[in-house]
Amino acid sequence: GENVEQHPSTLSVQEGDSAVIKCTYSDSASNYFPWYKQELGKGPQLIIDIRSNVGEKKDQRIAVTLNKTAKHFSLHITETQPEDSAVYFCAAIKTDKLIFGTGTRLQVFP
Amino acid sequence: KAGVTQTPRYLIKTRGQQVTLSCSPISGHRSVSWYQQTPGQGLQFLFEYFSETQRNKGNFPGRFSGRQFSNSRSEMNVSTLELGDSALYLCASSQTGTPYEQYFGPGTRLTVT
Repeated sequence: GENVEQHPSTLSVQEGDSAVIKCTYSDSASNYFPWYKQELGKGPQLIIDIRSNVGEKKDQRIAVTLNKTAKHFSLHITETQPEDSAVYFCAAIKTDKLIFGTGTRLQVFP
Repeated sequence: KAGVTQTPRYLIKTRGQQVTLSCSPISGHRSVSWYQQTPGQGLQFLFEYFSETQRNKGNFPGRFSGRQFSNSRSEMNVSTLELGDSALYLCASSQTGTPYEQYFGPGTRLTVT
């Protein structure tokens, strides 16, 4: 069925440390995997995405990796800063619809 | 370029009433999708409009409907409101008419009492 699992649900890190959020999907036909950051009172903001013909994509302190065989993808944030604190959502396409994970609340402590 | 705008930002309605929410996409974007966000169910897809036509639909009852105008602005309507319809309703636009590179608005917080 339509399923994107996301772990962990909460993540606390010290400023400067790295944070990793993992997602698995069920539909092998999925070919697009975006990550969104949602701050309090705001809509989700697209921060990075990856297509199935690419294994890794990096944008400054943020990177996403994709393992199509295992059907999982991960978000990596290096050198975390307090402003990285937010809820992060992964998503995958199924039948032309975005199916979202349940979210990870990231807290970065100064 | 201005982002996706949604009006109103907050709304309080009574059970049984109906409500209309509005979304203006990013200039040049022809696809508008609507999502419902609740603490229990997370982010769920409602429907997508492209060039005034509904192209895709999620698993919501017929009380939820929408439309898109020729300028790509979209409205979403919920009739016979139920307490469980209380949620943040998000609109997202994209250029290509697919879920790729969707950009979200700030949402409309609907409270049903």
